[in-house]
Amino acid sequence: DAGITQSPRHKVTETGTPVTLRCHQTENHRYMYWYRQDPGHGLRLIHYSYGVKDTDKGEVSDGYSVSRSKTEDFLLTLESATSSQTSVYFCAISEQTSGTDTQYFGPGTRLTVL
Amino acid sequence: QKEVEQNSGPLSVPEGAIASLNCTYSDRGSQSFFWYRQYSGKSPELIMFIYSNGDKEDGRFTAQLNKASQYVSLLIRDSQPSDSATYLCAVIGGSYIPTFGRGTSLIVHP
Repeated sequence: DAGITQSPRHKVTETGTPVTLRCHQTENHRYMYWYRQDPGHGLRLIHYSYGVKDTDKGEVSDGYSVSRSKTEDFLLTLESATSSQTSVYFCAISEQTSGTDTQYFGPGTRLTVL
Repeated sequence: QKEVEQNSGPLSVPEGAIASLNCTYSDRGSQSFFWYRQYSGKSPELIMFIYSNGDKEDGRFTAQLNKASQYVSLLIRDSQPSDSATYLCAVIGGSYIPTFGRGTSLIVHP
């Protein structure tokens, strides 16, 4: 499972509250990613990181920020949660497999914003 | 904009049959192609990847890539009810960031 954990696994919060999701990996992978998955939209990239303090935006980054102060941790923050951010959030790492960059996913966090 | 298209299904096949899942992509510069399986309520798990034209086999799974026609397919032989899941196609081009299709739901009925 590439040593990826996510916390919390489930969270219910209210509109307007800040929320931070954590992704933790144990195998020193350089690249880490945050996706959201919604019915009808598939997996969409929010932000990714290519090293400590090195991050970049994905296709649906509005309303989200990230931080990576340690190789093993990649945090996703919703500064002021909205109902449209109700989703399942997956963290992923990228690993070289037979010369190809291959993504492996964490177990996911189900977030409900009321 | 890079696009990866999959028929959402559901694709329904009887147990023991061959399931054929297809994916087309828009970026001619795409280099690597992946198939993931996702059970309901779970995270995507990698089945296999392919980067050269032709077929690649791994157990009951065969990935087929045709870069000229910009499609990649996944064949599942001797389909089992446990293969019932959503199958995601992902494509990597020059940016090294994958683009995912929306997935095809497969139902294998006894």
